[in-house]
Amino acid sequence: QKEVEQDPGPLSVPEGAIVSLNCTYSNSAFQYFMWYRQYSRKGPELLMYTYSSGNKEDGRFTAQVDKSSKYISLFIRDSQPSDSATYLCAMSAGGGSNYKLTFGKGTLLTVNP
Amino acid sequence: EAGVAQSPRYKIIEKRQSVAFWCNPISGHATLYWYQQILGQGPKLLIQFQNNGVVDDSQLPKDRFSAERLKGVDSTLKIQPAKLEDSAVYLCASSLTSGLAKNIQYFGAGTRLSVL
Repeated sequence: QKEVEQDPGPLSVPEGAIVSLNCTYSNSAFQYFMWYRQYSRKGPELLMYTYSSGNKEDGRFTAQVDKSSKYISLFIRDSQPSDSATYLCAMSAGGGSNYKLTFGKGTLLTVNP
Repeated sequence: EAGVAQSPRYKIIEKRQSVAFWCNPISGHATLYWYQQILGQGPKLLIQFQNNGVVDDSQLPKDRFSAERLKGVDSTLKIQPAKLEDSAVYLCASSLTSGLAKNIQYFGAGTRLSVL
């Protein structure tokens, strides 16, 4: 079993739809959870960052972490064509000086105008 | 604030040749990471530096890959000799070393390597 599982999609939605992206993980030591957005031929860009369980909202984006189920989600409201990208979940156990990120495979999202 | 700079953006080489990538992190970021991202996969950590010391190189194929960060700022990643399976995007990232911000990594645009 991979440490982080993410459905690679692809996912295609109409403009204005609510998008739900998910990851599951197996390592109970993970405490820091991130979502990165990666446009084609660009590096990953941090979108959301959450410590431990709970919800975090930033504009049209909401990140949820359920540590008891080892499940994280990213919701995008009122999706726009500019949201078309690959979304990567990433996790870290933290501790000491090693903040290694373990990434999911990424979900390719296309928002159609 | 300038981001993480990487060069070259693209490189095409033949197998068994050598290649080097360069990274300049965000000013003040003492921690630097090199990742390998194969097409359709998430980035995989190759090596992590804090200042000029190696923190984690457990996934670096040391028979062919090497990396250095001599003055605690710029870093180079080298592959010698390259194999077909090394075709990937090589991403550099940097972060601070204190507080919650040390969990936040900022990525460069990457170097896309094709090995023929």
